Amino acid sequence: KAGVTQTPRYLIKTRGQQVTLSCSPISGHRSVSWYQQTPGQGLQFLFEYFSETQRNKGNFPGRFSGRQFSNSRSEMNVSTLELGDSALYLCASSLVSKLTEAFFGQGTRLTVV
Amino acid sequence: TQLLEQSPQFLSIQEGENLTVYCNSSSVFSSLQWYRQEPGEGPVLLVTVVTGGEVKKLKRLTFQFGDARKDSSLHITAAQTGDTGLYLCAGHNNFGNEKLTFGTGTRLTIIP
Repeated sequence: KAGVTQTPRYLIKTRGQQVTLSCSPISGHRSVSWYQQTPGQGLQFLFEYFSETQRNKGNFPGRFSGRQFSNSRSEMNVSTLELGDSALYLCASSLVSKLTEAFFGQGTRLTVV
Repeated sequence: TQLLEQSPQFLSIQEGENLTVYCNSSSVFSSLQWYRQEPGEGPVLLVTVVTGGEVKKLKRLTFQFGDARKDSSLHITAAQTGDTGLYLCAGHNNFGNEKLTFGTGTRLTIIP
C-alpha cells in the first residue's frame, strides 16, 4: 500500500509570506502528526490530529496551525514566515488512536529567505 | 516535559567495529521505539520495545529496554557502511498524553 505522501518536497518562501504543506496518510490511518526538524533542535513535535480534531499540541507559536479533513488528509500552515522557520517538516501517520507506530513521509524542505 | 537524551550525539567508527547508542530519560514510557533516518528521507521505524528488560534482535542490531522503562540502548555488531544515518529513539506513553517524544538523535558514520 502507498506510504505517507507529503507535498511539496521542496519550497522556498520569502520572510513574511505564508505557506501550506500537505500530508496524505496511509490509507486507514486516522492519526496524523507534524514535526519540525532542524540541525540544532532535532525533531520537535508540532501537533497531532485524530478524526479531524487536534489532540495534542507542541510548544510552537500560533503562526503554526493545522487541520485534518474527513479523509484524514492533513495540512499545516505557517503564517508570517521567519528565517528560523527553515526546516524539514515531517508528517507521520498512525493506524489507531494511540501513536504506537509512526510512519513518516519524506518531508517538505522549507527554506525561508 | 518528557525529555529523551541520546548519547553520543555523533559517532564515527570503522567498518567492522561494534558500537552502542544510549537513550535516557527521567520519565517512564509505556513503549520505546528506535528509528533510523537517512539524508533527505523521513525516519523509518526499526523496532518497538514494550516490556521492561526486553531485548530484541534485528540481524546485527540489538535493542534493549531498561527494567524501569526509562532508558534504552541500541548495539550494532560489525558495523557496515549501510548503517550510516541518524538514529532516533522515541518514547510513547498512554498516561493521558499519547504523543511520541523523540530523542536528541545520534548521528552515526561508518567509515569504509
